[in-house]
Amino acid sequence: AQRVTQPEKLLSVFKGAPVELKCNYSYSGSPELFWYVQYSRQRLQLLLRHISRESIKGFTADLNKGETSFHLKKPFAQEEDSAMYYCALTPSGSRLTFGEGTQLTVNP
Amino acid sequence: DTGVSQDPRHKITKRGQNVTFRCDPISEHNRLYWYRQTLGQGPEFLTYFQNEAQLEKSRLLSDRFSAERPKGSFSTLEIQRTEQGDSAMYLCASSKNSNTGELFFGEGSRLTVL
Repeated sequence: AQRVTQPEKLLSVFKGAPVELKCNYSYSGSPELFWYVQYSRQRLQLLLRHISRESIKGFTADLNKGETSFHLKKPFAQEEDSAMYYCALTPSGSRLTFGEGTQLTVNP
Repeated sequence: DTGVSQDPRHKITKRGQNVTFRCDPISEHNRLYWYRQTLGQGPEFLTYFQNEAQLEKSRLLSDRFSAERPKGSFSTLEIQRTEQGDSAMYLCASSKNSNTGELFFGEGSRLTVL
């Protein structure tokens, strides 16, 4: 069975500081990993996926198969990054398994 | 707005009553998913459809829960004999049949069972 763990429920940083949201997963095969984000009063939406190797809104995430991690990073946090972030995986591109989420607050 | 829509947005009911939620996916999306989210938790998978076929059901989906997508368009999720533990946000999402993992979520239907 697959599992996603986000060890920090809350994370608070100051504007301009680097931020890293941790995600660890357990799955015996090669899953696809994603980060979803939910801004205040908005729907849950895709932020980025590991297969795209893209940077979205300054965020990047590297899949480390040895450590089974997919941490989300941004070098300089902005106030508008404040949101709930969910790491998710799928073994087959169908249903997603989500972590419990990390609430990021970027203080001015 | 051409996104995923859910109705009702909020439902308060008494224990033992039946409730039904409706989801209208994005029109060209073949896949439709139901998730449940409780406070402080991430969304938990309940079931998903490809067109009208229900392809997977979580063991979270007890006998009191039933989902349908009769014509491969909108879907309904019915909860019979509601219990207080059913109180949660019920999220619907849809996606194209392309295995990209990108789900488009609705705003959710919040259920409160008194």
